[in-house]
Amino acid sequence: DGGITQSPKYLFRKEGQNVTLSCEQNLNHDAMYWYRQDPGQGLRLIYYSQIVNDFQKGDIAEGYSVSREKKESFPLTVTSAQKNPTAFYLCASSIIRGQLLTGELFFGEGSRLTVL
Amino acid sequence: AQKVTQAQTEISVVEKEDVTLDCVYETRDTTYYLFWYKQPPSGELVFLIRRNSFDEQNEISGRYSWNFQKSTSSFNFTITASQVVDSAVYFCALSVGGSQGNLIFGKGTKLSVKP
Repeated sequence: DGGITQSPKYLFRKEGQNVTLSCEQNLNHDAMYWYRQDPGQGLRLIYYSQIVNDFQKGDIAEGYSVSREKKESFPLTVTSAQKNPTAFYLCASSIIRGQLLTGELFFGEGSRLTVL
Repeated sequence: AQKVTQAQTEISVVEKEDVTLDCVYETRDTTYYLFWYKQPPSGELVFLIRRNSFDEQNEISGRYSWNFQKSTSSFNFTITASQVVDSAVYFCALSVGGSQGNLIFGKGTKLSVKP
């Protein structure tokens, strides 16, 4: 079945360590996104990519890095520079139609990161 | 600037009651899309509906219906005869023309449907 796979589902990290969250999609979607969700908050965009080897910062990119070497994969690294990394991270993808992305996002099940 | 406001943080109803989730949006763009997503306890967001700014027709899908009113900048979501499986967090979101698909989410409304 087509979909988005995020791993790991739960992750614990010590302060000062970098951690990479995996996101893979087999939907043949062009665009991929990383969102952060905090309790009682909406989703906030970290990074997005519309094409391989290209990505743009979202609203809260500081302390995060991404790569897009393959269409199917968009890993997110949470670096030690991220001051408050404990959160729920959601990866999503969407089709690009013409000049305007449809905005219909397909989401993975998320990765919950806890910094000890 | 664009903004989505979901004033209801949490709603609790008893099964079979009707419930309306409110969404108010702000944008100066004339071309935009509005969305509703459902986030069940499993965590992934599930797409429910997309509506573009030029189509104010209300939509019904089974027990779900959506009321889009540009005059009040609202895009409300009603569940008729709610069921326990409807318990989830519901997000309203906005995408403006040329935004490259970046969705602006409201903070969500947590709906609890009790048997």
